[in-house]
Amino acid sequence: DAKTTQPPSMDCAEGRAANLPCNHSTISGNEYVYWYRQIHSQGPQYIIHGLKNNETNEMASLIITEDRKSSTLILPHATLRDTAVYYCIVRVPPGTASKLTFGTGTRLQVTL
Amino acid sequence: DSGVTQTPKHLITATGQRVTLRCSPRSGDLSVYWYQQSLDQGLQFLIQYYNGEERAKGNILERFSAQQFPDLHSELNLSSLELGDSALYFCASSVVGREWETQYFGPGTRLLVL
Repeated sequence: DAKTTQPPSMDCAEGRAANLPCNHSTISGNEYVYWYRQIHSQGPQYIIHGLKNNETNEMASLIITEDRKSSTLILPHATLRDTAVYYCIVRVPPGTASKLTFGTGTRLQVTL
Repeated sequence: DSGVTQTPKHLITATGQRVTLRCSPRSGDLSVYWYQQSLDQGLQFLIQYYNGEERAKGNILERFSAQQFPDLHSELNLSSLELGDSALYFCASSVVGREWETQYFGPGTRLLVL
C-alpha cells in the first residue's frame, strides 16, 4: 500500500477554508486517493475520492497535484461540526484486497 | 446516517466471556467489513464478507470469528475476552466489495471488558 503522511493536527477558524494536506509520494498510477473523517468516536464518514483530476462534491474539494504525489482536501467554509480526525487513504490497486488502511490522520480543530 | 446499523451501541462484559456484535449493511450492499479501533492500534481491518462468503482477512485474532447470513446481516463473535479487546468495533458495507467501492460505516459498538 502506498504510505500517506499527514500533519497530526491543524486549527481553522469557523467560516474560513480548511486545507488539509496529504503526501503520498509512492502512489501508483492506478491507486485512488480517498478521504474519510471521524467525528469524535462515530463511524468514519466518506468525504471524497479521486484518481488524478480535481474533484468536488457537496462536502469538499479534492486537489491532486499533477505528479499525484500529494493532495489537499479543502473544506470551503469550515464549521464547528467539521471538527474531526481526517484520514487520507490510498486505495490498493485492483485485484488486491479492498480493505481500507487508516493511518493516524489529521485532527482538525475548528474554532470560533 | 450511512444506512449501516450496528447493535448494541455499548457492551460491558467481563474477561473470559463471549459476545456477539451485529451489523446490518445498507440496503442493496452485499459486502460487509469489520474494523477494530483501539487507543493504541488505531482503526484496523479485521475481516470482509461478500454474499455470505469470507473474502479477506486482516488482523483478526483466532478468538474472533464472523459470519454473514443469507439476509446479509453479519455477526462478529468475540470469545475468551481479554482486557485488551476493549475497543470500538465498526462495521462497513459496500455494494459488491471491490477495491474501488466506497465503504460506508456504521456507528460502531463500544466494547468494554472489565
